[in-house]
Amino acid sequence: DGGITQSPKYLFRKEGQNVTLSCEQNLNHDAMYWYRQDPGQGLRLIYYSQIVNDFQKGDIAEGYSVSREKKESFPLTVTSAQKNPTAFYLCASTGIAASGNTIYFGEGSWLTVV
Amino acid sequence: QKEVEQNSGPLSVPEGAIASLNCTYSDRGSQSFFWYRQYSGKSPELIMSIYSNGDKEDGRFTAQLNKASQYVSLLIRDSQPSDSATYLCAVNGGYSGGGADGLTFGKGTHLIIQP
Repeated sequence: DGGITQSPKYLFRKEGQNVTLSCEQNLNHDAMYWYRQDPGQGLRLIYYSQIVNDFQKGDIAEGYSVSREKKESFPLTVTSAQKNPTAFYLCASTGIAASGNTIYFGEGSWLTVV
Repeated sequence: QKEVEQNSGPLSVPEGAIASLNCTYSDRGSQSFFWYRQYSGKSPELIMSIYSNGDKEDGRFTAQLNKASQYVSLLIRDSQPSDSATYLCAVNGGYSGGGADGLTFGKGTHLIIQP
């Protein structure tokens, strides 16, 4: 089935630890995104990438890093510099040539600091 | 910075009635507008997209866009208990041809359909 796969679904991080969230898509989409959602809040853009080997910061990039070595993959690393990482993380993608640039989401990853 | 505003609710609507959800946005250059439905603990799913002024209907859902007033709305007819969710309004910028800098989301309106 075509879609966006995020893993793990649940992740626990200790203080001072880096963790990486995986995002893979088989939709042949050019652009990929990472959003963060806090309880009762909307989605905020962390990073986005329009093409391989290129990415831009979103509104809340501090404490996060990404890479885009393959079109299908856009992993997000939550570093120890992110002081409040507990949130729901959503990966999304869209085709640059897709009509209306509709963005589709993966199922999300829950990150909790313990 | 682009802003998207929604009433957080909760908006309570009797089953079978019309639910009306509203959204305003700040960037006059925005060209693409979306409504997503999000159930608690789940990822958003696309309900409607609209790109030109006027109404767009899809089943029980109607999206309405007024670019002059910078206003987008979603009407849900014959509301069902399964429609109870948070509805997120999202807006893209003026980039042609793609997702570019992503969507700006409102905080969502929590809709409750009362049986």
